[in-house]
Amino acid sequence: QLQLQESGPGLVKPSETLSLTCTVSGGSISSRSHYWGWIRQPPGKGLEWIGSIYYSGITYYTPSLKSRVTISVDTSKNQFSLKLSSVTAADTALYYCARQSTDWNLDYWGQGTLVTVSS
Amino acid sequence: EIVLTQSPGTLSLSPGERASLSCRASQSISSRYLAWYQQKPGQAPRLLIYGASSRATGIPDRFSGSGSGTDFTLTISRLEPEDFAVYYCQQYGDSPALTFGGGTKVDIK
Repeated sequence: QLQLQESGPGLVKPSETLSLTCTVSGGSISSRSHYWGWIRQPPGKGLEWIGSIYYSGITYYTPSLKSRVTISVDTSKNQFSLKLSSVTAADTALYYCARQSTDWNLDYWGQGTLVTVSS
Repeated sequence: EIVLTQSPGTLSLSPGERASLSCRASQSISSRYLAWYQQKPGQAPRLLIYGASSRATGIPDRFSGSGSGTDFTLTISRLEPEDFAVYYCQQYGDSPALTFGGGTKVDIK
């Protein structure tokens, strides 16, 4: 059974860089049939796609965050990562990683990790 | 960017009743790229429907999806107690961009 697990600091200071890693188990991140994505959800609000990556390193980002986001993949560790720079309180959210099909639906999700931006 | 508008914002129904949730796109989208998710409190979203009408693995047949172009519907034929949750539609379009609707909360009347 495929599982995804997010990890990283739960508290980040304003203007610093948020860094999260998603570890995939029970399957290979080098699957040619899937992408791997990050989605966030501010407390009490809806879902926002941040971006996705293919095992080869091809990335797609949501336009509103593109200037601050970097997603990378480490196939040797079966992990992919998110970096979001220059964070503000508006970046406080539950961050999910997920597996994405080539039809752009998200069929497996991690449990999510809460990241709070505060000094 | 394509905007998805879900209605109603909240749907208050009783167990056993039928629920119809609407998702309207700001421009026509391919049915191939329209999905629905269920999210319960404290849990990650769960894929219910992909390709507008195909049920994901393990999803009961009381859940069905329909629609095309700009108008899509998720129907729950008979609400079970575990179906009271928030439902999101999601699409993929040009940019490239994956976007979600604002959600519909189905709560117990």
